[in-house]
Amino acid sequence: DGGITQSPKYLFRKEGQNVTLSCEQNLNHDAMYWYRQDPGQGLRLIYYSQIVNDFQKGDIAEGYSVSREKKESFPLTVTSAQKNPTAFYLCASSTHRGQETQYFGPGTRLLVL
Amino acid sequence: AQSVTQPDIHITVSEGASLELRCNYSYGATPYLFWYVQSPGQGLQLLLKYFSGDTLVQGIKGFEAEFKRSQSSFNLRKPSVHWSDAAEYFCAVSREKLTFGTGTRLTIIP
Repeated sequence: DGGITQSPKYLFRKEGQNVTLSCEQNLNHDAMYWYRQDPGQGLRLIYYSQIVNDFQKGDIAEGYSVSREKKESFPLTVTSAQKNPTAFYLCASSTHRGQETQYFGPGTRLLVL
Repeated sequence: AQSVTQPDIHITVSEGASLELRCNYSYGATPYLFWYVQSPGQGLQLLLKYFSGDTLVQGIKGFEAEFKRSQSSFNLRKPSVHWSDAAEYFCAVSREKLTFGTGTRLTIIP
């Protein structure tokens, strides 16, 4: 089955800790994205990558970092600089960036202890 | 800047009744238009999309949407809702970047 997987489903972060959210896709898509979702708000773009070894900041990149060493993988690190990390994080991919349809993973809920 | 407005935060509909969810967008040219559905604690599933051509678009689960250029709208409809349709619905537009509305939560009552 082709699709996008995210792990873990739930993640707990302590003060001052960095945590990494995993996103893997086997759709052979070039572009991948990370979104943050807060209650009552739409999705906001954190980072995106159009190709391996390249990524760009989205609208709310502060306190986050990413890497794109493989086409299939686009991990997101929530750093200690992100002061309000509690949210639902969604990974998506598309054939390439632009008007193409984005397909989403099941999400990771990050909670602060 | 492009923007998407979903004016209804929460809608309650009786099972078997018809449904219309509203979506208006602001953009200089006609963008690509999408409707996604999200069940609690889940990711987003694509219901349908409009790129060009016929302005009435059919999607999965019996949903359809109509693009009206003159009104900058892309409303989602279903003739008869089922209890399983209870979820959050997001309209989105894309020209280079995908921009989401704030969502409409749909509750179904028996």
